[in-house]
Amino acid sequence: AQKITQTQPGMFVQEKEAVTLDCTYDTSDQSYGLFWYKQPSSGEMIFLIYQGSYDEQNATEGRYSLNFQKARKSANLVISASQLGDSAMYFCAMSPYGNNRLAFGKGNQVVVIP
Amino acid sequence: NAGVTQTPKFRVLKTGQSMTLLCAQDMNHEYMYWYRQDPGMGLRLIHYSVGEGTTAKGEVPDGYNVSRLKKQNFLLGLESAAPSQTSVYFCASSVDRFTEAFFGQGTRLTVV
Repeated sequence: AQKITQTQPGMFVQEKEAVTLDCTYDTSDQSYGLFWYKQPSSGEMIFLIYQGSYDEQNATEGRYSLNFQKARKSANLVISASQLGDSAMYFCAMSPYGNNRLAFGKGNQVVVIP
Repeated sequence: NAGVTQTPKFRVLKTGQSMTLLCAQDMNHEYMYWYRQDPGMGLRLIHYSVGEGTTAKGEVPDGYNVSRLKKQNFLLGLESAAPSQTSVYFCASSVDRFTEAFFGQGTRLTVV
């Protein structure tokens, strides 16, 4: 089964600064999808960005970008120009080709301070 | 457009009682998932389905059963609730394994 690791402790970020959230994964599959989700204090899960393992370009969605390093099995999320509304838990997730499971890491807590 | 709807939103059960959580999606998605979320544990996959009539075990399936009799509905059952099943339960659906999953609003279940 795949394993997703997010080990950073809670992070405090100054408003308007960039923040990088680390995610490493372990899978024997060569084909897989990587996702990042945001969970604000209200509890809903919000999709942010997707990267396919065979995509040559790093994915970007507005202020979100994914720093994908396949050889290192790393899929870090970069949030540029942080806003107060970015305060939330952020989850990395992976879906390998070899099974149909969408598995999540334990999350990173981000607090944006003015 | 309702998306993914979970019923109920809150529930308190006594140990040993049974209940069913309903997940309904109106996006014609093939894939559906049930997760539980506990503090510090992230989301853990309980069961999932890749189409009507199919179900499979996830990471933490013990104590739960599921059914997908209709494509739009995915039911999660607790036959004999235990305090360890106190959690927030999320349902999600997606077109396939490589597209974003849409989540319901969650069900907060407390077993006393």
